[in-house]
Amino acid sequence: LAKTTQPISMDSYEGQEVNITCSHNNIATNDYITWYQQFPSQGPRFIIQGYKTKVTNEVASLFIPADRKSSTLSLPRVSLSDTAVYYCLVGDFSGGYNKLIFGAGTRLAVHP
Amino acid sequence: DAGVTQSPTHLIKTRGQQVTLRCSPISGHKSVSWYQQVLGQGPQFIFQYYEKEERGRGNFPDRFSARQFPNYSSELNVNALLLGDSALYLCASSKTGVDRYNEQFFGPGTRLTVL
Repeated sequence: LAKTTQPISMDSYEGQEVNITCSHNNIATNDYITWYQQFPSQGPRFIIQGYKTKVTNEVASLFIPADRKSSTLSLPRVSLSDTAVYYCLVGDFSGGYNKLIFGAGTRLAVHP
Repeated sequence: DAGVTQSPTHLIKTRGQQVTLRCSPISGHKSVSWYQQVLGQGPQFIFQYYEKEERGRGNFPDRFSARQFPNYSSELNVNALLLGDSALYLCASSKTGVDRYNEQFFGPGTRLTVL
């Protein structure tokens, strides 16, 4: 079972900032939080990963509060090409290997 | 550098048949994972291989099997196909697969349709 909960869908307009919040109440001490983006008929693409506080790269920012029970992916000034499904994952390292447990994701629709 | 490649792109089979899907990881990556993605859902973990050994298996029946070759490429086999096996099959590669923060890179997938 996925360890995360996120909104099923969101709508935005070009040029706006989009924040997608993910809940992971049972995150383990050593788990990292990772976000993937997926376009139709393509494989997921890594966006950003973090453990605590704030992480920023050229694509997005990831905000993680001190209790780490949630995280927020922030996409600055979205464009139509950001329309995709966004998945929030926390690490599953049971068995000594890293497997990704995906939920249903958040379908982001960016409108003109 | 080339990314993860998968073949074939699309495949149509009938119930009861067998299928083999292929994956070539990014050069230097030694771990390959397989995922099944049914339309409208997130990918579901099937297998992970590292250094030619199975490291993990998801909740899939024994009709699903896989192997990894010395060059780290991998094959996923599905026997006795069912209609419910229709899905996008994704392959992901990573450097080790045994690191908590090891990024997995996905291929474009193979679209399998079972009639």
